[in-house]
Formats: sequence, structure tokens, C-alpha cells
Amino acid sequence: DIQMTQSPSTLSASVGDRVTITCRASQSISSWLAWYQQKPGKAPKLLIYKTSSLQSGVPSRFSGSGSGTEFTLTISSLQPDDFASYHCQQYNSYPRTFGQGTKVEIK
Amino acid sequence: EVQLVESGGGLVKPGGSLRLSCVLSGFTFSNAWMTWIRQAPGKGLEWVGRIKSKVDGGTTDYAAPVKDRFTISRDDSKNTLYLQMNSLKTEDTAVYYCTLGDGWLPSWGQGTLVTVSS
Repeated sequence: DIQMTQSPSTLSASVGDRVTITCRASQSISSWLAWYQQKPGKAPKLLIYKTSSLQSGVPSRFSGSGSGTEFTLTISSLQPDDFASYHCQQYNSYPRTFGQGTKVEIK
Repeated sequence: EVQLVESGGGLVKPGGSLRLSCVLSGFTFSNAWMTWIRQAPGKGLEWVGRIKSKVDGGTTDYAAPVKDRFTISRDDSKNTLYLQMNSLKTEDTAVYYCTLGDGWLPSWGQGTLVTVSS
């Protein structure tokens, strides 16, 4: 199975900050990576697929990059609605696997 | 608009069984590949398994922890996805989400809580 490792596990930031979350795969997954945002008690919401493609309706302050084994999710200017948990997911092979999640907290 | 609505969660004793359902609307269910994801309390997301559309073979794949205990099936006449869970263990306690898709997952249900406890 491909192991996905996110860092950091928790991130404290302020409104307006630039935030970067890293996701590393235990082997190459090409560009087959998605990012999700999840708020407490809610289902995850797809933000980005195929590493850098923005899902329809997602604000352009979210962006993704990377390839192979190292990927990043960047929020260019953190907004109050962005305080949430973020999960990466590989879909290069089965079983699909997720990172452990990154919680973005208010500083 | 795509909507997924799960049902069937609840409290069950270890060793027991439960069947979850998920109704899809706003998308042609017979063409859909569908995936179950779960999330244990306070934990990350875990892929449970996937079923292809019947036109693509209707085959299933499962995560190792649930293989041989869980079965994913579909009823295209009812636009409904199922997750039959047998021999439940305490570690199966989680919110179970049905999702549309196989790779990236653009649409999720609201989730249904399964608690396995004596």
C-alpha cells in the first residue's frame, strides 16, 4: 500500500497568512493526488484533483503543486472560512490512501 | 445537483451485522463508480472499497481490514448503493460516507455513524 504522510499535523495561522501543507507519498504516484477540506461534523469537500486542478467553485486562493512523491497545498491568503482540516489522497493505485490530515487553527 | 443520502447506521454489538444504504440523485447512477470511505472518531479518512458500474464489469475492490467481512453492492433500478457489514469489530466504529467516483471524489454524502460496542 502507498503511505501518505502530511505535515504539519497542526498549523496555527492568522487571517491573511500564506499557508502551505505538504503531503509525501511512500512511492511515486505521478500526479494522481487530490486535496479535501473538512469542517467539524461535515463531509470532506474536494478542493483539488490531479495535483493542481481546482474543483469547480473552489476559490482561487487554493492551489496545488508537485509530482512523484512530494506535493503541496497552498492557501495564498487565509480566510476565516478556511480554518478546517485538510486531507490529501492518492489515487494512483488500490487501495486508495489518505494522509492523516492537517488541522489549520486560528493563531 | 448531485446528492447522496446515506442511511442505516446505528449501534451494533461486536460480531453483528449492519447494512448501509446510499441513494444517489442528480447523476445517472447506472454509469457511476461508487466508493465508501469511513472516518473513525477523531481520526483520518480511510478508503473502504469501490464498485464499478455494471457496464464496466460491476467489480469490487476492498481495503484489507474489511475484505471478506464487508460487501459492496448496487441496485441500479433504485439508484442505491449498499454496504453490507458482517462480523463487525469495535475498530469498525466510524462515520461511513458514500461518494461518487473512484479516483478523486467530488461528491460525498452526509455520512452515517456506525458504533460497534457491547
